[in-house]
Amino acid sequence: DAKTTQPNSMESNEEEPVHLPCNHSTISGTDYIHWYRQLPSQGPEYVIHGLTSNVNNRMASLAIAEDRKSSTLILHRATLRDAAVYYCILRDGSGAGSYQLTFGKGTKLSVIP
Amino acid sequence: DTGVSQNPRHKITKRGQNVTFRCDPISEHNRLYWYRQTLGQGPEFLTYFQNEAQLEKSRLLSDRFSAERPKGSFSTLEIQRTEQGDSAMYLCASSPGTFTSDTQYFGPGTRLTVL
Repeated sequence: DAKTTQPNSMESNEEEPVHLPCNHSTISGTDYIHWYRQLPSQGPEYVIHGLTSNVNNRMASLAIAEDRKSSTLILHRATLRDAAVYYCILRDGSGAGSYQLTFGKGTKLSVIP
Repeated sequence: DTGVSQNPRHKITKRGQNVTFRCDPISEHNRLYWYRQTLGQGPEFLTYFQNEAQLEKSRLLSDRFSAERPKGSFSTLEIQRTEQGDSAMYLCASSPGTFTSDTQYFGPGTRLTVL
């Protein structure tokens, strides 16, 4: 899986939107962009994923740049429960890639009450 | 709760002892994964099962580590002759097996401390 780059940490005020960036300049045409998050003392949990178009679900939105070399995870109203480490991961969707998730260090999001 | 469960949640052992962890995946999930996570780092892949077959192993999985998934249901991860460097959180995940990049659902992990 190709490599991603994320800021080590970010802060947000409660109830404000949060934009978590991810750079993946070496992304290939068959790579999906996945986001997982890990709350303190828990296993990671899936947040959202996309290929080319922007995606929305009940947890977040994913904005993908037109050239696909970067993406942004958007939490529309941060709550204290959103304080976690957020991981941006590329996954090969061609069927030829590995089944494993390759985690980096992610972005630690702190939410200020 | 029908999520992934792991037992025990915590294990403290002395160096040189053997330990075994269990993972019960979500029912009907064909794929099962083991990861290891040390403090301040993201999880690292250890091994992967498709049903009962172990199809992928990381170089991190030394010969002291062995994993099984008999009958394609629960899985066990055994560490023999534990070392202090084995201290970590061991995470299990499962996925339906529909796509190569299908969503993985993680358990709460087993925290191992080797004294």
